Amino acid sequence: DSGVTQTPKHLITATGQRVTLRCSPRSGDLSVYWYQQSLDQGLQFLIQYYNGEERAKGNILERFSAQQFPDLHSELNLSSLELGDSALYFCASSAPGDYNSPLHFGNGTRLTVT
Amino acid sequence: AQSVSQHNHHVILSEAASLELGCNYSYGGTVNLFWYVQYPGQHLQLLLKYFSGDPLVKGIKGFEAEFIKSKFSFNLRKPSVQWSDTAEYFCAAPRAGSYQLTFGKGTKLSVIP
Repeated sequence: DSGVTQTPKHLITATGQRVTLRCSPRSGDLSVYWYQQSLDQGLQFLIQYYNGEERAKGNILERFSAQQFPDLHSELNLSSLELGDSALYFCASSAPGDYNSPLHFGNGTRLTVT
Repeated sequence: AQSVSQHNHHVILSEAASLELGCNYSYGGTVNLFWYVQYPGQHLQLLLKYFSGDPLVKGIKGFEAEFIKSKFSFNLRKPSVQWSDTAEYFCAAPRAGSYQLTFGKGTKLSVIP
């Protein structure tokens, strides 16, 4: 168990809809990262938050947004969903203040858009 | 490191065979390298990491990796694989000056009993 909790485990929704994915980082970790894993693109970095503030942006679509709350949990919002958004979405966290800290991943949310 | 590439998409081995998975990185200043493993249906877990010092790094479950600066490589090895090593293996490196990890496309390892 990595200590990173993601909910829900599975999500099935229709095109055009909006969903929210939730992540609780490991105790003490201030950074939260979101990654998208799909068969064709592999693991793609979406966005990072550190202590409530956006720190880095990757290949995140404008239809997607995220935030990190004062209690450090994070939510990834995906709107106007398309079939191509079907993927596994991972959240990860890392210890503060060290570029060498490894990432600890949650079990992911599998999103299926029909 | 700025980018990471893994050239083997799918590797199939029999139990007890030796394993070597390739990983190459592009130069980007200080080199920190990681190998992660994803067992079927599970999250990614850290296998091992290299920051500095001894270029031969030992990780969990009998895995090791060798950092060869002249070849920009960080190949993962295991002398004798087991069926339970069936998983997908990812090489990763952070972008310079950031925590953002860039992952390779991954290599699927199938071990046949």
